[in-house]
Parts: sequence; C-alpha cells; structure tokens
Amino acid sequence: EAQVTQNPRYLITVTGKKLTVTCSQNMNHEYMSWYRQDPGLGLRQIYYSMNVEVTDKGDVPEGYKVSRKEKRNFPLILESPSPNQTSLYFCASSRTGDPKNIQYFGAGTRLSVL
Amino acid sequence: AQSVTQLDSQVPVFEEAPVELRCNYSSSVSVYLFWYVQYPNQGLQLLLKYLSGSTLVKGINGFEAEFNKSQTSFHLRKPSVHISDTAEYFCAVRDNAGGTSYGKLTFGQGTILTVHP
Repeated sequence: EAQVTQNPRYLITVTGKKLTVTCSQNMNHEYMSWYRQDPGLGLRQIYYSMNVEVTDKGDVPEGYKVSRKEKRNFPLILESPSPNQTSLYFCASSRTGDPKNIQYFGAGTRLSVL
Repeated sequence: AQSVTQLDSQVPVFEEAPVELRCNYSSSVSVYLFWYVQYPNQGLQLLLKYLSGSTLVKGINGFEAEFNKSQTSFHLRKPSVHISDTAEYFCAVRDNAGGTSYGKLTFGQGTILTVHP
C-alpha cells in the first residue's frame, strides 16, 4: 500500500530537548515536504526537498532542520524545541516538484513542547 | 507569493442541506487548485483538483468545485451533506509560474464543516 509514514504520532517533550520526527514514503517520490498546522493558519511549509541531498526553506523554517540522505526518508529535526513549536506536523510527498503532481500526506505528528 | 483565503472559518449545516465552502486565491497566473479534507484525528486526503480543462471538477464523496479565473475563486459545493462530511476542509494552490515558488503548495486557513442531524 502506497503511504507516507510519520513517527511518532504523538510526542510530549520539554524545552531544549532535541527531537526528531521521522517521515518515510514507499512510492519512490522525489519531492518531500514538511508542514505545520496551527488553528486559524492552515498548513504552512517548513522545509521541502526536490530530491536526495537537495533541501530548501519553506515559509517557517526557523528552529527546524531537515536532511535527505535517502530518497524515502525526510526527517524533521528540532535541535532545541520551544513552546511555540507546539503544533501538528505533516509530512508529504509527490512524484516530483511538478505542480501537477498530487501531494500525499502522512497521518500527522502532534507535538507538545512544555 | 500566492495567498489563499477561505472566507468562512466555520460552516454549520443540517443534514441533507446543500453547502458551499468558499475559496479565493491571489493570482490566476498559472496555478493548480486543490481541495483537501481532514477528518478528526486524521491526515489530509485529496478531495478534488483542477489542473486544466473543464472548470467544473468532480471529486470524491459527491463534492464538486468550480474554477472561476476572473474571480480567482475555487468554491467547493455539495448538494446534500451527510453527518459523515463533518471535517475540516482546506483549499490549496500550487504555483506553476516558475522561480523560487515553483511547485509550492499554499493552503488556506481551513473551514470546519459541521453537519447537524
């Protein structure tokens, strides 16, 4: 089954404790992206990757890092989480960066930073 | 940069009534349009998309949307809603104009549709 898998689904942590949210897709997609969803703001792009070793900032990259060492994985790293990073995070992938391609979303990771 | 405005943050309706969720975007220059649905505690699922051709597009679960280039709108409609349609709906625009925003998916703020019995 084609899917985008995020782990963990739920995470509670404390300020300053480094964490990683993993994202993996099994569709051999080139393009992957991270979004955060906040009430009243919709989804905003954090980082995206057009292919292996090619990443770029989205609209709200501050406080986040990503890497794309393999095609299937695109982890989101919070080096020193802060309470304003409490949010619902989604990973997405599409065949390429071509705007016609549909983006497929993971089930989401709900993060709380205390 | 593109912006997407969903004009209603919440839409309450009764079961079997028609519904329209409104979406406007900032530029009609070379974009593709999407509606996604998010059921409680789930990820986003594609409802429908407009890439080209007929301005009336049909999606899953009986939803349809009409692309209006002159009004830069892409409103979502359903003639008769069910309790199971209760969810949050997101309009999104993907830029095809080239440059640094090529391929970027920009979302609206979301509309919570609540269907009452």
